[in-house]
Amino acid sequence: EPEVTQTPSHQVTQMGQEVILRCVPISNHLYFYWYRQILGQKVEFLVSFYNNEISEKSEIFDDQFSVERPDGSNFTLKIRSTKLEDSAMYFCASSAGSSVSYEQYFGPGTRLTVT
Amino acid sequence: DQQVKQNSPSLSVQEGRISILNCDYTNSMFDYFLWYKKYPAEGPTFLISISSIKDKNEDGRFTVFLNKSAKHLSLHIVPSQPGDSAVYFCAAARAGRRALTFGSGTRLQVQP
Repeated sequence: EPEVTQTPSHQVTQMGQEVILRCVPISNHLYFYWYRQILGQKVEFLVSFYNNEISEKSEIFDDQFSVERPDGSNFTLKIRSTKLEDSAMYFCASSAGSSVSYEQYFGPGTRLTVT
Repeated sequence: DQQVKQNSPSLSVQEGRISILNCDYTNSMFDYFLWYKKYPAEGPTFLISISSIKDKNEDGRFTVFLNKSAKHLSLHIVPSQPGDSAVYFCAAARAGRRALTFGSGTRLQVQP
């Protein structure tokens, strides 16, 4: 069964450093997403990406964040200058792009720890 | 942000009985609802969804009911199995948008 994969599973970085989180969405999906879950809090939407551009973003997704689909399979989230409060689980998701169903399929997550 | 609320942080049921997980929402712009199951150290796994034009959707042991007037949905699992023990999240999407708004989750424990 196709699945979303994410690397690395755990990333430790120092405050102020740049990090890139990587995802391989399900191959025939058209929409790609990043969510995050800070420990003890809800899963929060960050950004969605369709047709090589951002289609929606939340207030959390400020200028420190960027997304890219550098090739036909990868989808990345870059945080330019990490802060302590960026420590969270980051989930990538993808969906087929149907106009009648919005099911999103999630990867296992990357745990980002900013020290 | 309490647009999607799951007021029961935990639920314990006996194997073979029905599990009922509840979710309330406040934003009348939501028109698509989903349930996800999550095990520790894994991402959310899609279970079942429902569009606002329906009031019920069934898939095997899982049924989701939607009461639009009450802004309430529920997930029924019957019969419950020990493998169903996990955290269940309700999520909602606004018409024409794909960003999901999640509830805080309900931890279900199914006792053998």
